[in-house]
Formats: sequence, C-alpha cells, structure tokens
Amino acid sequence: DQQVKQNSPSLSVQEGRISILNCDYTNSMFDYFLWYKKYPAEGPTFLISISSIKDKNEDGRFTVFLNKSAKHLSLHIVPSQPGDSAVYFCAASTGGNEKLTFGTGTRLTIIP
Amino acid sequence: NAGVTQTPKFQVLKTGQSMTLQCAQDMNHNSMYWYRQDPGMGLRLIYYSASEGTTDKGEVPNGYNVSRLNKREFSLRLESAAPSQTSVYFCASSGGGGRPGSRQFFGPGTRLTVL
Repeated sequence: DQQVKQNSPSLSVQEGRISILNCDYTNSMFDYFLWYKKYPAEGPTFLISISSIKDKNEDGRFTVFLNKSAKHLSLHIVPSQPGDSAVYFCAASTGGNEKLTFGTGTRLTIIP
Repeated sequence: NAGVTQTPKFQVLKTGQSMTLQCAQDMNHNSMYWYRQDPGMGLRLIYYSASEGTTDKGEVPNGYNVSRLNKREFSLRLESAAPSQTSVYFCASSGGGGRPGSRQFFGPGTRLTVL
C-alpha cells in the first residue's frame, strides 16, 4: 500500500521555465511533508518542507504547496536551471515521529 | 564534519553469503535509519533506531538485522544474502528529538549486488 505517490516517473522542462512536481498521499495522519533531491551516485539531500498547518512554504526558487483537502502537494521550481536535473522524492511523517514515508520519485530533466 | 559515512561503496556477494554494511554519523544525532532504494519503489525503510540501544522494524525488515553499536554507529547485516536483496542501501540520521518533519541526512549509499 503506497501511502505517498508520485505518479509521474519523469518530467522534462525547458531551462528558465517552471517545473512542477506532484505528490499525493492517502494517510490523513501525515502532518509534515518534505522534498528531497537526489543526484546519481549520491544520497538524497533535503530541499524544502511544509507543515500541515500551512498551505505554502517558499525558499528561494523553490515553493511547496499543500492542499490538505485533496491530499496533494506540489513542488514548484522557478526558474528551472540545468543543476536542477535530479530525482525528486516527496516524503511525509506523522506527529511525534521522525520516520519518513517516501514516494517513488520523479526524475526531472532540465533541457538547456 | 563528514556527516553520514557508509562503507563499503560497492559490494558483490554470492547467494548465501553474509555481510555487514557500516554506517557512522558525526552530527550527534539520536535517530538513525537504513533504507533500500529499488527502481520504481522509492526509498523503503528497513530498520531504524530512535536512540542508542533501541531498534525497530521498518517496512521491509525481512532478511536483515541491525545493531546500534553506540550513538555514532548503526550497522546493517545480511545473514544469508539473496538476489532479491540486490539494491542500493542508504543510511540516514536525524536529530530532531522526535519532532515531526525533522530532516534526515543521508550517506552516499552502498550498491550491493547478490548473484
């Protein structure tokens, strides 16, 4: 039972345009969401997070939007740069718990 | 700070052989984790340790054992390797004291092939 789903395995975006990565979840107990970025042959690195009490969190070029009623979150990258080409994982946790449940990942390719 | 280190980087085993994957962190974190990453499956939690001396099963613990040797080190052992355990293994740590959403810091991974 995949509680965190990333339905797009891959996404290609022109450099300078907006990249939108999507994530859906089924467990209504999730109350914190994180995005991780992974380059080949490296471990994932933290990118941005959002608490369920918010609907938006912004950090530079990266913005995460949370729609609790739809159990959906998205990561926006504006403008997209070649260095953004990587696999992006969505993750979620429940209250009082540091354990994360990860999605299957979306491979983002930025086309110069 | 080295962060989270893992050894070895690569390993090839024959079916039935055993091995231990080592992980160490120098961030004084209480919690440590072992994940495996398989194509199309994302990262799946094998075992985690919320503090020194405690370990708990994650989503896919069968075929694995762990030891939290001290606060810094968390090892993963395959007693009798099987081809289904061919994967990339990541160790991670976090220091949020149980606070939800605490970011985890990952090691570079160990690529394991079981023939």
